[in-house]
Amino acid sequence: QVQLVESGGGVVQPGRSLRLSCAASGFTLSRHGMHWFRQAPGKGLEWITYISSDEVNKNSILSVKGRFTVSRDTSKNTLYLQMNSLRAEDTAVYFCARFSGSDGSGSWDYWGQGTLVTVS
Amino acid sequence: QSVLTQPPSVSAAPGQKVTISCSRGSSNSGQNSVSWYQLLPGTTPKLLIYDNDKRPSGIPDRFSASNSGTSATLDIAGLQTGDEADYYCGTWDSSLSAGVFGGGTKLTVL
Repeated sequence: QVQLVESGGGVVQPGRSLRLSCAASGFTLSRHGMHWFRQAPGKGLEWITYISSDEVNKNSILSVKGRFTVSRDTSKNTLYLQMNSLRAEDTAVYFCARFSGSDGSGSWDYWGQGTLVTVS
Repeated sequence: QSVLTQPPSVSAAPGQKVTISCSRGSSNSGQNSVSWYQLLPGTTPKLLIYDNDKRPSGIPDRFSASNSGTSATLDIAGLQTGDEADYYCGTWDSSLSAGVFGGGTKLTVL
């Protein structure tokens, strides 16, 4: 069955870097757009970045542009989020999610369990 | 900019029905379908509704939704204490190439 397992979270000092991984099983990453979300303590879900199925398109929210980079390794069927120049406000649980459907009628149908990043 | 607005909280008694609204702040995003997610405390988001009104397999028909274009709604009938969770509406704004989520609605089953 479809499964997404994140890893790589932890406590990091401001200004440092961290790389999150999202290992996929039960499906092929390259057939889906893959997204990262986060939920800061006491806050709502926030979409932060994505990579299209063909890797041609990427986008992210303004607050992480230039600091966070999404990528994937198809040989490992794994999605990554490289987070540089981390700030206290990046503290959150980070989720990877699979996007299914078309641009006009798609949804995030499978989610990882989340990994906690604490910047302090 | 695409914005989805949800009420911060709703509440109802067990067995009753509750409606959670999701208002669109941008006419452009009205072209894209809305999906709904349940986030139980300490767990991962779960897809409840996709493509405005469709339920994935395994989601009980107590959960239903609709979308008028300017506003989407999630209805939960026959409320159970296990339904206490945060509920989010979301959409993929293809014009922005960005995901857009509402702020979430906390459901309390009294």
